[in-house]
Amino acid sequence: DVKVTQSSRYLVKRTGEKVFLECVQDMDHENMFWYRQDPGLGLRLIYFSYDVKMKEKGDIPEGYSVSREKKERFSLILESASTNQTSMYLCASRAAGSNYGYTFGSGTRLTVV
Amino acid sequence: GDSVTQMEGPVTLSEEAFLTINCTYTATGYPSLFWYVQYPGEGLQLLLKATKADDKGSNKGFEATYRKETTSFHLEKGSVQVSDSAVYFCALREVRGGYQKVTFGTGTKLQVIP
Repeated sequence: DVKVTQSSRYLVKRTGEKVFLECVQDMDHENMFWYRQDPGLGLRLIYFSYDVKMKEKGDIPEGYSVSREKKERFSLILESASTNQTSMYLCASRAAGSNYGYTFGSGTRLTVV
Repeated sequence: GDSVTQMEGPVTLSEEAFLTINCTYTATGYPSLFWYVQYPGEGLQLLLKATKADDKGSNKGFEATYRKETTSFHLEKGSVQVSDSAVYFCALREVRGGYQKVTFGTGTKLQVIP
């Protein structure tokens, strides 16, 4: 089975801190995605990457950046965390050209105080 | 743009009751449609999918039929169990500018009581 691992289940950070959320997948998937999940809003796409060193903005990229230096790892970076970035963050991956859905990680619940 | 509309929850049912969670969509092309399930404290898991009109996706007793004429993909199960308590997300996938874009609904929470 494909496994998508997010490094932390829970994080608490202070306003203004630089925050790194890490995601690793073990099935050589080309495509990786970062979403945030908020009550009443569902999942919103922050950034995605279709291959190493490639990145594309999703629907809500403001305040975030990403890094994809290796195929298996996709990092989400909050340059200066703010309280409105308190949320559940979900990483997902998929093989390129696949007709299957995503495989998601278990999520990181980030609280910014 | 593309959108997915799900019925608002929470939906509370007794064990062995019949489940329907409505999902309708708007899309300009011919999307693939998905249902995902999120159990408490976990990420989303793919439950079932359908890639063209009149396809029926099924898994774990859940079914959904791709209805192009009504732009719907309603999720059904004949007899729910307590272990089905979760949040269910409807999603569509279309190609946009050479990329595949997935749009999720807001999720419907299902609570099954013994």
